[in-house]
Amino acid sequence: DAGITQSPRHKVTETGTPVTLRCHQTENHRYMYWYRQDPGHGLRLIHYSYGVKDTDKGEVSDGYSVSRSKTEDFLLTLESATSSQTSVYFCAIRETGDEQFFGPGTRLTVL
Amino acid sequence: DAKTTQPNSMESNEEEPVHLPCNHSTISGTDYIHWYRQLPSQGPEYVIHGLTSNVNNRMASLAIAEDRKSSTLILHRATLRDAAVYYCILRDNNAGNMLTFGGGTRLMVKP
Repeated sequence: DAGITQSPRHKVTETGTPVTLRCHQTENHRYMYWYRQDPGHGLRLIHYSYGVKDTDKGEVSDGYSVSRSKTEDFLLTLESATSSQTSVYFCAIRETGDEQFFGPGTRLTVL
Repeated sequence: DAKTTQPNSMESNEEEPVHLPCNHSTISGTDYIHWYRQLPSQGPEYVIHGLTSNVNNRMASLAIAEDRKSSTLILHRATLRDAAVYYCILRDNNAGNMLTFGGGTRLMVKP
């Protein structure tokens, strides 16, 4: 299995508070991705990174920011969480091949 | 963006073959066809991918129509562990090879 961990695995927070989710990999892969998944839907890309300090927006980036200061860590930040950001968040990694490896997910609830 | 169309759900009997269809009539010449699956409470898992020719691996086979407007994922002998949501995805060759997930097909396997 690809070495991907996500933390925290579960979080409950209140509207308006900042939240940071962490994705950590031990594979030294170049590409890292953040997706969200809402009930009954497939995953939607939030942001991705193609190297240290190199990031770009995905399909649903509004309200989210990311940072990648080290190869192994990709952080997703919700500056001021809203109830619409209640979701399951998945991180994925990829080297130069085609296959993306996904982490176990973080379930975030914003009250 | 190229899109895919899949049936919402399918049923299969254990140890029988399963054919999961996918239509992608707007596929471009450089789009790869990817299949991922997502078991309950887990992140997606890569299954197989192809461009023009049929592909086989240890998990499944991918049959691609000659005009590339449709494809079929074939599980040769379904097991209970194959019960999952299967996503057919056209990979964007630009923008970091991001994956755009649709609704997928929920496969139920009966003992």
